[in-house]
Amino acid sequence: EAGVTQFPSHSVIEKGQTVTLRCDPISGHDNLYWYRRVMGKEIKFLLHFVKESKQDESGMPNNRFLAERTGGTYSTLKVQPAELEDSGVYFCASSHGELSGGYTFGSGTRLTVV
Amino acid sequence: QKEVEQDPGPLSVPEGAIVSLNCTYSNSAFQYFMWYRQYSRKGPELLMYTYSSGNKEDGRFTAQVDKSSKYISLFIRDSQPSDSATYLCASGTYKYIFGTGTRLKVLA
Repeated sequence: EAGVTQFPSHSVIEKGQTVTLRCDPISGHDNLYWYRRVMGKEIKFLLHFVKESKQDESGMPNNRFLAERTGGTYSTLKVQPAELEDSGVYFCASSHGELSGGYTFGSGTRLTVV
Repeated sequence: QKEVEQDPGPLSVPEGAIVSLNCTYSNSAFQYFMWYRQYSRKGPELLMYTYSSGNKEDGRFTAQVDKSSKYISLFIRDSQPSDSATYLCASGTYKYIFGTGTRLKVLA
């Protein structure tokens, strides 16, 4: 079974540019989550999809962040325009059931905004 | 106050030692408790999860949850150099609140 795949693994962009991160969950997993870890801080929840619907986007920092999950398969997280404080590691995770107890993370995308 | 508190370490132990990692949490509504292991430049890998209180054992790893004191523990027996990683506790329902992680180094 393929795991959760994220790409790119690294991205360096200039302040003001746009970046799109992609996540391919484990096949058949309806639940998809985005988390972020900024330097020196804990991993924090951004949002949760069930299939193509956003169930909870309470962790999204501001309206510069837009997440989509077209067709309930892969998801994208776009940051536009990027700011310096957006730098960090963005993790995607997926699970079969919402309360399945522990989900599988991808390796993350390391975003650096300069 | 953070919802999940975890000592960041680092923690260094000799090979073969028993390691005890701990977290506290504040939200009594939390039902799921997880331990993840993260190697450098990798994503968190689920080690153990527990629903509600109690103990769970898997090989050299034992997870304990005490809901009365809001305390989460992970014990690693016969620690190996390959156990050197950052260990993250997490609690929540469908979305998890993570601790900052404890860096563990097992010395050969």
